[in-house]
Amino acid sequence: NAGVTQTPKFQVLKTGQSMTLQCAQDMNHNSMYWYRQDPGMGLRLIYYSASEGTTDKGEVPNGYNVSRLNKREFSLRLESAAPSQTSVYFCASRTGTGGGYTFGSGTRLTVV
Amino acid sequence: SQQGEEDPQALSIQEGENATMNCSYKTSINNLQWYRQNSGRGLVHLILIRSNEREKHSGRLRVTLDTSKKSSSLLITASRAADTASYFCATGLVEYGNKLVFGAGTILRVKS
Repeated sequence: NAGVTQTPKFQVLKTGQSMTLQCAQDMNHNSMYWYRQDPGMGLRLIYYSASEGTTDKGEVPNGYNVSRLNKREFSLRLESAAPSQTSVYFCASRTGTGGGYTFGSGTRLTVV
Repeated sequence: SQQGEEDPQALSIQEGENATMNCSYKTSINNLQWYRQNSGRGLVHLILIRSNEREKHSGRLRVTLDTSKKSSSLLITASRAADTASYFCATGLVEYGNKLVFGAGTILRVKS
C-alpha cells in the first residue's frame, strides 16, 4: 500500500546508546520531515529535507542527525540517546511545499 | 514556540451533536491545515484552506479561516463515535518556507 513506512514501531534504549529510525515513502514525494510528539506539546519539527540531497534543521535538532539516502528514504539518528529524547517520532512527506503531509504510524522510543 | 493554539483542549459531546474546534495563530500564513490522530496512530490530513479562502467543506467537515483575526475553526457535523480522536491545526508559515507548525491539539470524545 502506498504511504510512509517507519521502522521500528517500538524501541527501548539505554542512556548513551545510539540508533537509527528508518522512514521510507513510495509516493515519489520530494519533501520529507521528522517530528517528535510529546504530551501536551503537539508536534515539533526536528529536521526536514526539501528535496533529495538537502537537509535542514527544524525547531529541535539538538541530539539528532539525519540522512536523505535517496528520494524514498529519510533516516533519523540518535548518536547518544538521552531520557529527554523519550518521545513518539513521526516521519512525514509531501510532494511539494504547499500541500498536506502524509504521516507514518510513528516510532515510540523510550530512553531509560 | 507553537504557532497554532487550539481551543478547547478537550471536548466531550453526544453522538449526533456538532463539534467545533478553534485554532489561533500568530504570524502570516500561506495555508492552514487540520489533521486527525486516532489514539496510537499517525496523523491523517483532513483539509487544507489557503490564506485567500474563507471557507471550505469536505463531507461533514467545515473549515473557516479569518486572517484578520488570525483564527480558524473546524466544525464536524452530526458527529459519530468514530470521530473520537485528537484534532490538530497546522499552519504553513510564510517565513518558514511553508513548513507546517502544529498546535497542541483538541481531544474530542464522542459518546454513543
